[in-house]
Formats: sequence, structure tokens, C-alpha cells
Amino acid sequence: DAGVIQSPRHEVTEMGQEVTLRCKPISGHNSLFWYRQTMMRGLELLIYFNNNVPIDDSGMPEDRFSAKMPNASFSTLKIQPSEPRDSAVYFCASSLGHRQETQYFGPGTRLLVL
Amino acid sequence: DQQVKQNSPSLSVQEGRISILNCDYTNSMFDYFLWYKKYPAEGPTFLISISSIKDKNEDGRFTVFLNKSAKHLSLHIVPSQPGDSAVYFCAAKTSGSRLTFGEGTQLTVNP
Repeated sequence: DAGVIQSPRHEVTEMGQEVTLRCKPISGHNSLFWYRQTMMRGLELLIYFNNNVPIDDSGMPEDRFSAKMPNASFSTLKIQPSEPRDSAVYFCASSLGHRQETQYFGPGTRLLVL
Repeated sequence: DQQVKQNSPSLSVQEGRISILNCDYTNSMFDYFLWYKKYPAEGPTFLISISSIKDKNEDGRFTVFLNKSAKHLSLHIVPSQPGDSAVYFCAAKTSGSRLTFGEGTQLTVNP
């Protein structure tokens, strides 16, 4: 099993640019989670999907952030326009069922907004 | 409002000694607690968990202790090994809620 796949692994962009992060969950998993990791706040859940439907997006910081899951094998997290304070590591995780406890994380995307 | 706090950003111990990582929480409704380990350039991986009906859970070298009255959680690693060097996150949840993570503690085990 390839595990959760995220791309790109690293992204450097300039303030104001659009950033799109991609995630392929583990085959057969029906829940997908997007997290952001910062030094100050640790790991924060941004949004999670179950069966491709957004269930809880209360962690999405603001309207500049949007996430989609067009099918069971792909999800995107978009930031438009990006700001320097968005610099962080963004993780995608997937699990079978709603159980966040049994989630498997991807390797993360390290985003730097200049 | 940080409901789960790991007040030590880093910890350094000698190989073979005990590592104790601490975590405090404020929400008395939390009923399930987990520890994750994260190596550089990798995502976190689940390590061990404990339900609020227990005060201790052990898995090999790893033991998690829960003190509900103090709202305190700790992870003991004994004996510590260099391969245990990683960032450790504690997390907590209530029934039906999402996980709330702490900031993480960087553990370094020196040979």
C-alpha cells in the first residue's frame, strides 16, 4: 500500500499567489482530513470529508482557504491569495469510517509564502 | 484557546534512561487521549492511546498515564533509544468530536 500521497512536498511562492495542495488518500478509506502544523499552534484540523462530503470545515482559517474532494481518490486544498502567515506544513490524512483516531497521515507539504 | 498544551518544546535524555513527555488539557469532557510520533519529513504516526476510564496503558516500552483530576497526561518511554528521537504530539477528543492536538515536544535521545 502506497499510503497517503501528497504533492508537492515543498512549495515556495510569493504573497498573493494561488497555492494548490493535493492529496490522494489510501484506497478504500472514506474519510479525509486536512491539517496545518505550525510551531505555535501544533497540529490543527482544517477540514474533514466523509464519503467525499465536507463534514466539518470549522477549522478553515478564512475565506482564502477552500478544499474540495471531487472523488474518493483525490482532494485539494487551495489558498488564494496566499499570505506569509500561511507558511506551515500541511498534512492530509485518511481513515476508514469517521474514526479520526485511526487516521494515517501523508508526509506533508511544506509551504513557504514569501 | 489551546485546550491541549505541551509546555516543553524539547526534551533531551540519555540512551537507556526514561523519557517523560507531559501534556495538560483544560476540557474536562475529553474522554480519549492519544500520542503520535513524528519523524522529520514524515507525517505523524499513531503511538498509543488511553480511554478516560483507565489511568494507565502500556505497550512495550511505551506507557501512557492519565491523571483526570489534574487534567494531565504523560508518556513514558523506557528504556529510551536513539530511534525514539522525534516530535511527540498528544491529542484529545470528546465522543463525536474531532481531535485536538498539542504543540508537540521534540525528544532527542543521545547515544
